Amino acid sequence: GEDVEQSLFLSVREGDSSVINCTYTDSSSTYLYWYKQEPGAGLQLLTYIFSNMDMKQDQRLTVLLNKKDKHLSLRIADTQTGDSAIYFCAEIGMDSSYKLIFGSGTRLLVRP
Amino acid sequence: DTEVTQTPKHLVMGMTNKKSLKCEQHMGHRAMYWYKQKAKKPPELMFVYSYEKLSINESVPSRFSPECPNSSLLNLHLHALQPEDSALYLCASSLRESGYSTDTQYFGPGTRLTVL
Repeated sequence: GEDVEQSLFLSVREGDSSVINCTYTDSSSTYLYWYKQEPGAGLQLLTYIFSNMDMKQDQRLTVLLNKKDKHLSLRIADTQTGDSAIYFCAEIGMDSSYKLIFGSGTRLLVRP
Repeated sequence: DTEVTQTPKHLVMGMTNKKSLKCEQHMGHRAMYWYKQKAKKPPELMFVYSYEKLSINESVPSRFSPECPNSSLLNLHLHALQPEDSALYLCASSLRESGYSTDTQYFGPGTRLTVL
């Protein structure tokens, strides 16, 4: 079945880069997403990448996709305290009835 | 504009109460979703409406009753809930355009539900 895995916790110092990793199993995945959730809030779409791309950059965010290893990463440059949140990766496959399969979420803590 | 709105923001109800959660979007999206999220867990899909028809029910107990009055509105009617139903309830919407290979979901801020 489909499965998405993430490490649970990451702590970085303000100004450093953060890298959040995700692995998935569904080889039919077409789009992979990164969502951010601040405490008590809903999910904010950060970015997404199509499966035929290797990299996507959007301001401080860089997404890398290794389709062979089914590995996705989100790099946040110059991490700020406002980046402290839970980050979910999610996949959607063409045979999944458009259902999003979420990872367990990575809690990012940015230390001043 | 990628805004999904949800009301109320917080809701406290007893196990014998009947209440409703409301979700609204004006992006022209034709698919709408209800998710339940417990603390420190990812969202769990409950229901999907596509073109105002219920297309997915993830074996949700009948004390949760969804309704899609029109393409912009989604309700979740609650009756005889249990304390374990306390959670953050998230609504989402997506374009669901025929032949379009992505269906990016945009989430609302959620309703924090407490069942006493």
